[in-house]
Amino acid sequence: DQQVKQNSPSLSVQEGRISILNCDYTNSMFDYFLWYKKYPAEGPTFLISISSIKDKNEDGRFTVFLNKSAKHLSLHIVPSQPGDSAVYFCAASSLNTGNQFYFGTGTSLTVIP
Amino acid sequence: DAGVIQSPRHEVTEMGQEVTLRCKPISGHDYLFWYRQTMMRGLELLIYFNNNVPIDDSGMPEDRFSAKMPNASFSTLKIQPSEPRDSAVYFCASSNFGSSTGAYEQYFGPGTRLTVT
Repeated sequence: DQQVKQNSPSLSVQEGRISILNCDYTNSMFDYFLWYKKYPAEGPTFLISISSIKDKNEDGRFTVFLNKSAKHLSLHIVPSQPGDSAVYFCAASSLNTGNQFYFGTGTSLTVIP
Repeated sequence: DAGVIQSPRHEVTEMGQEVTLRCKPISGHDYLFWYRQTMMRGLELLIYFNNNVPIDDSGMPEDRFSAKMPNASFSTLKIQPSEPRDSAVYFCASSNFGSSTGAYEQYFGPGTRLTVT
């Protein structure tokens, strides 16, 4: 059973607009969340993370929001650029039990120039 | 550092053959992970090691799959015998979770695309 779910397999956004990628999780023990970005024929690369003690973390054009009560997190990209076109994976972890990550199935983002 | 190194990048084999995938983690990292990427399940953890010791192999799909980490700089994932349903991209990742840096992210290799015909 998937403990981390990304229900949108794909998303298309116009260049310059906001991209919002969503992720839901089921395990209330998760306390650390990450987003990874993956280009074709490459491995996933770390993008941004957030601890459960926060509800927002920002890094340049990327912001991750965490809603613990809803077990939901989202990644906002503003403004979106064509180079952001990639597959984005959400991951969750319970740091008390080690470094094991649970990944979602990914959302393919296409930014249209 | 060169990052996580995986070989081969592509492997095409016939059903029933043995396949060995190789991984060199980032130097100094104490955790190593093997993942399989599929459309249905995304990035699926197969097994992970801490200080060369297997910690959790519950994700290994069948006894046909085995993984070893003989030292801190090398790991293998073996499939014997291989089947067409094993066709996927296999990733290796490493992290230095056990250090005091507070960095928890995993660093991924470029992956091995396995095709079993």
